[in-house]
This record gives sequence, structure tokens and C-alpha cells, in this order.
Amino acid sequence: EAGVAQSPRYKIIEKRQSVAFWCNPISGHATLYWYQQILGQGPKLLIQFQNNGVVDDSQLPKDRFSAERLKGVDSTLKIQPAKLEDSAVYLCASSSNLAVHFGPGTRLTVT
Amino acid sequence: QKEVEQDPGPLSVPEGAIVSLNCTYSNSAFQYFMWYRQYSRKGPELLMYTYSSGNKEDGRFTAQVDKSSKYISLFIRDSQPSDSATYLCATTPGTYKYIFGTGTRLKVLA
Repeated sequence: EAGVAQSPRYKIIEKRQSVAFWCNPISGHATLYWYQQILGQGPKLLIQFQNNGVVDDSQLPKDRFSAERLKGVDSTLKIQPAKLEDSAVYLCASSSNLAVHFGPGTRLTVT
Repeated sequence: QKEVEQDPGPLSVPEGAIVSLNCTYSNSAFQYFMWYRQYSRKGPELLMYTYSSGNKEDGRFTAQVDKSSKYISLFIRDSQPSDSATYLCATTPGTYKYIFGTGTRLKVLA
């Protein structure tokens, strides 16, 4: 079974610029998550999709972050404009039961 | 109070030692418990998944859940340098919403 794919793996941008991350979940997984992991902390949920509908986006900073999951498969997460505190690893994950499988993450550095 | 508490470590042990990693949680609605291993610059990898109180064993790894104390543990027997990683506990009430601990950094010395 192929795992969760993410791209890019690394991104460096200046503050106030925009950036987008892409995720392809494990085939057949209806639930897709975006997490933010700051160094030394556990993953923090940003948004959860069930198929192409949003289940939970309560911790998504909606003034600058947006996410979509078209056709219930791939997903993109966008940040516009980026702030220094957005420097983190952005993890995409998917699940079909009660076990979550993570992708390798995108390491974002905002300078 | 955080919903899931985990000692961040770091924890250093000699090769071959038994390692004990622990988390506590505050909400009795949490029913499912997971342990993830995260190597540096990698995404978390699911190690163990349990539902009920008691022990679940998988090779050198044993997950233990004590719902009465709201305490979960991961034991690693015969630890190896390749076990050096950050170990994250996670829990959910079964709603697909997961709460993660901060992770414990483990270093196994050769």
C-alpha cells in the first residue's frame, strides 16, 4: 500500500509571501487531516476533511490559511500571507479506520 | 490542564535496556490509544493501537492502558540504537479527532 504523499518536502519563503502544500492520501481513505508540528511539540490539527467536506477547522487561522480537498482525494493547504511563526512542519495524514497514517511532511521556513 | 501530558525527555538509555514511555490523559471519553514513532525529519509512523485496558504486545513493543488511572505506557524491550526517535502518544474518543502528546525524545546508546 502506497503511503501518504506530500510535496514539496522543504520550502523557504519570506514573510508576507504565499505558499501552497499538496497532499495525496492513501487510496480509499475518506478522512484527510492537515497538522502543524512546531519543533519540540506534538502535531496540532489544522483541518479535517471527510471526503471533500470539512469536519473540523476550528484551529485553522482562517485569515491566512485555507485548504481544499477537491473530488475527495488530493488536498492543498495554502498560507497567504505567511508569518514568521508559521515556520513548522506541515503534516498531511489520512485514515479509513481509527488509525491515522502520516506523510513525510513539508518543512516550511519563513524568514 | 492539557488533555494529554507527556514528558518531553530526552531519555537516554544503554543498548539492551527496557524503556518505559508514559502519557496521562484527562478526558475519560478517550477510548482509543496509539503510539507513534517519529524519526528526525520524518512523519510519525504508527507503532501500536489499542482500545481496551490491559496490554498489547507486538515484538519488542508492549502498549499498556490503565483507564482507571488515565495512564498509558509503551515498553520497549532489548532497546536498540535504531529505536532512537521521538515517541508520540495519541488518543481519540472515536470521533476521528486525535489529540497528541508533545512526544518523548529517546536516545539508545550503543
